[in-house]
Parts: sequence; C-alpha cells; structure tokens
Amino acid sequence: DGGITQSPKYLFRKEGQNVTLSCEQNLNHDAMYWYRQDPGQGLRLIYYSQIVNDFQKGDIAEGYSVSREKKESFPLTVTSAQKNPTAFYLCASSIERGPTDTQYFGPGTRLTVL
Amino acid sequence: SQKIEQNSEALNIQEGKTATLTCNYTNYSPAYLQWYRQDPGRGPVFLLLIRENEKEKRKERLKVTFDTTLKQSLFHITASQPADSATYLCALLGDSNYQLIWGAGTKLIIKP
Repeated sequence: DGGITQSPKYLFRKEGQNVTLSCEQNLNHDAMYWYRQDPGQGLRLIYYSQIVNDFQKGDIAEGYSVSREKKESFPLTVTSAQKNPTAFYLCASSIERGPTDTQYFGPGTRLTVL
Repeated sequence: SQKIEQNSEALNIQEGKTATLTCNYTNYSPAYLQWYRQDPGRGPVFLLLIRENEKEKRKERLKVTFDTTLKQSLFHITASQPADSATYLCALLGDSNYQLIWGAGTKLIIKP
C-alpha cells in the first residue's frame, strides 16, 4: 500500500525537551511538508522540502527543525525553543510543488506538553 | 489583510438533503482552490480542485463552484449520508511560491 506514515500517534513532552516526529512516504513524491493544526485555525506551514537535502521555512518555523536526507523521510524536531508546541502535527507530500499539486496527508501526531 | 474564512459553526443537515459549505476569501487572487475532507484525529483527504476559469466542478455527489467576483467557493454534497459527516477544509493557492492557504474548516453533521 502506498501512503504516508507518521509516528508516534501520540507524544508527550516535558518542558525543555526536544522531540522528533517521524514522517515516511512511499509514494515517490518529491515534495514534503509539515503543518501544525490548532483548534479553530487553518493548517499552518512549518517547513517544506522540494527535493532531497533542501528545505525551506514556512510561516511558523521558529522552534522547529527538519532534515531531508532521503526522499522518503522528512522528520520534524520540536525544540525547547518552541514555546507552545501542544498541537496536532500533520505531514504531507505531493508529486511536486506546483500550482495544482494536491497533497497527501499522514494520520498525524498529537503532541502534548506536560 | 488576507483572510480565508469558513463557517466555524457546525452545519447540521438531514440525511438525503443537499449540504452546502462556504469558503470566502479576501485580498487573494487564487488561480486554484481545493477542498479536503478531514475525519476526527486523521489527516485531510483531497476531494476536488477547481481552477479560476472553471465555474463548476463535479465528482459523483460532490460539486464545487468558484466565483472570483464574489471571492467565494461553494461546496455541495447532494443526497447526503451520515458517512459524509466530517470537517471540510478549503485551501487556496496563495500569492507566493505555490503555498496553500487553509481555512479552519466547517464541521458537517448529517443526521439520519
């Protein structure tokens, strides 16, 4: 089955900890994205990558970091610098980054700060 | 300022009726607009894309319209079923670098 997987489904973080969210796709898509979803708000773009070894900041990149060492993988690290990390995190991919790209989403990771 | 707005109140519709959801935007000139469905605790799933020069797009029981004069897209589900209950998100192509700008979504509840 082709698709996007995210792990873990639920993640709990203590104050001051860095945590890494996993995202893997086997769709052979070039572009990958990380979004944050908060109640009552639209999805907000954290980072995106159009090609291996390259990524760009989105609207709310502060306190987050990413890497794209393999086409299939785009992990997101939530650092201690992110002051309000509790949210639902969604990873997505698309064939390429273009005007008609439709995005395929993973099942999400819900991060809670204790 | 630029905004994309969907009705934040849940929409309750009787089974079999047509559900109509609205997506309004200001200070954008999107060439494309997309609709996605999101179930609780899941990622969004793409439904339809409509271009600015298309007035209407259909897929089975789904229909999307795009009025660039009114700056509005309408999403219709005909012969609605309880399985259509979900949150529906609209997303438009923003002005910079092919970034999608997302609405907050409207929760649709279809009652048997």
